[in-house]
Amino acid sequence: QVQLQESGPGLVKPSQTLSLTCTVSGGSMSRGSYYWSWIRQPAGKGLEWIGRINTRGSTNYNSALKSRVLMSVDTSKNQFSLNLSAVTAADTAVYYCARDSEGLGSYNKWYYFLDVWGQGTTVTVSS
Amino acid sequence: DIQMTQSPSSLSASVGDRVTITCRASQSMSISLNWYQHKPGKAPNLLIYASLTLQSGVPSRFSGSGSGTEFTLTISSLQPEDFATYYCQQTYSPPWTFGQGTRVEIK
Repeated sequence: QVQLQESGPGLVKPSQTLSLTCTVSGGSMSRGSYYWSWIRQPAGKGLEWIGRINTRGSTNYNSALKSRVLMSVDTSKNQFSLNLSAVTAADTAVYYCARDSEGLGSYNKWYYFLDVWGQGTTVTVSS
Repeated sequence: DIQMTQSPSSLSASVGDRVTITCRASQSMSISLNWYQHKPGKAPNLLIYASLTLQSGVPSRFSGSGSGTEFTLTISSLQPEDFATYYCQQTYSPPWTFGQGTRVEIK
């Protein structure tokens, strides 16, 4: 059973770069045609999708964050990472990583969904 | 980007009630709509994908419907463990986007 675990600093100073890593266990990232996503939730607010990457390095990013986000993948370590630059207090949130899977639905077509999530890690931006 | 709007933003219900949550998209997106349940301090949990397909292990009291721009999540008989926040998410066209959430509270 695949499990995901986020790791990284819990405190980042304003204007610096937030760096998080998600470690995948219980299966190889390279097996199957998955994407790997990052999502965040500021306190008292809803979920915000940040972006995703596949094992070939193909990415999609949130339009509002695109200029500050960089994702990477290291299949030898079964990990993928998030870098968010020039952070402000508005980037304070719980950050989740998740597996972006495909499943067969109606009309015999394939659809994407986030079916395995990490437990989340809290990142605070403060001096 | 596709904008998702959920209604209501919160509701109060009793155990055994039938609950319906609506999600509307800013453009037509076939059935590429997912629903998640989120409890405080836990990871979100996928309930339904592709509008109506129940994820493995999810109780059958949860159901989804809709296509195009309007979608519905229904809980047929609310149970104590169902009090949580529910989010819709479109995966029709990246970037993926979530609705703002519907908080289901105990009446």
